Amino acid sequence: DAGVTQSPTHLIKTRGQQVTLRCSPKSGHDTVSWYQQALGQGPQFIFQYYEEEERQRGNFPDRFSGHQFPNYSSELNVNALLLGDSALYLCASSLAGQGGEKLFFGSGTQLSVL
Amino acid sequence: QKEVEQNSGPLSVPEGAIASLNCTYSDRVSQSFFWYRQYSGKSPELIMSIYSNGDKEDGRFTAQLNKASQYVSLLIRDSQPSDSATYLCAVNLRNNNDMRFGAGTRLTVKP
Repeated sequence: DAGVTQSPTHLIKTRGQQVTLRCSPKSGHDTVSWYQQALGQGPQFIFQYYEEEERQRGNFPDRFSGHQFPNYSSELNVNALLLGDSALYLCASSLAGQGGEKLFFGSGTQLSVL
Repeated sequence: QKEVEQNSGPLSVPEGAIASLNCTYSDRVSQSFFWYRQYSGKSPELIMSIYSNGDKEDGRFTAQLNKASQYVSLLIRDSQPSDSATYLCAVNLRNNNDMRFGAGTRLTVKP
């Protein structure tokens, strides 16, 4: 049973560039959430996708956008990268409708913006 | 006020001691609470979930929940060096699958 997979594992970009991160949820899961984790901090909620729509959104600017595909996989796009966007980006999957169900995390994508 | 707050630590305990980790949350409607463990350079992994007031025990771990005080804690008995990690408190806000995390408490267990 494949867990949550993310790609790429590491990425180096320069300021102003755009980046796309990818996530495949755990088998049987239909909901994908994205988190940003800066060094020494807890994960910060970016947004959540369910049924190919953004269902919840945290306090992140519109430069952060996403998409969910019919197979439940998801992408996170960040435009006009800033130095402060350097962080570990975590994808987590879950099964909707169970109220308070558990999140399963991927290994993350480490983004460095130079 | 932050949605989820943890004592920032770092926390250091000797091997075999009890480690106590604390967390408070702001949203009274929240019903689901979780503790995640994150080793350095790794992603968070779920170690405990708790939904009702009181204690929930799983091996050496005990989660405690007090909804009236909006307080969650994690006790680790007989702490081992392998327990050294950052422990993240997470709260499912309003049961909308919108999980919010505290900043984490870094625990070091010294042999």
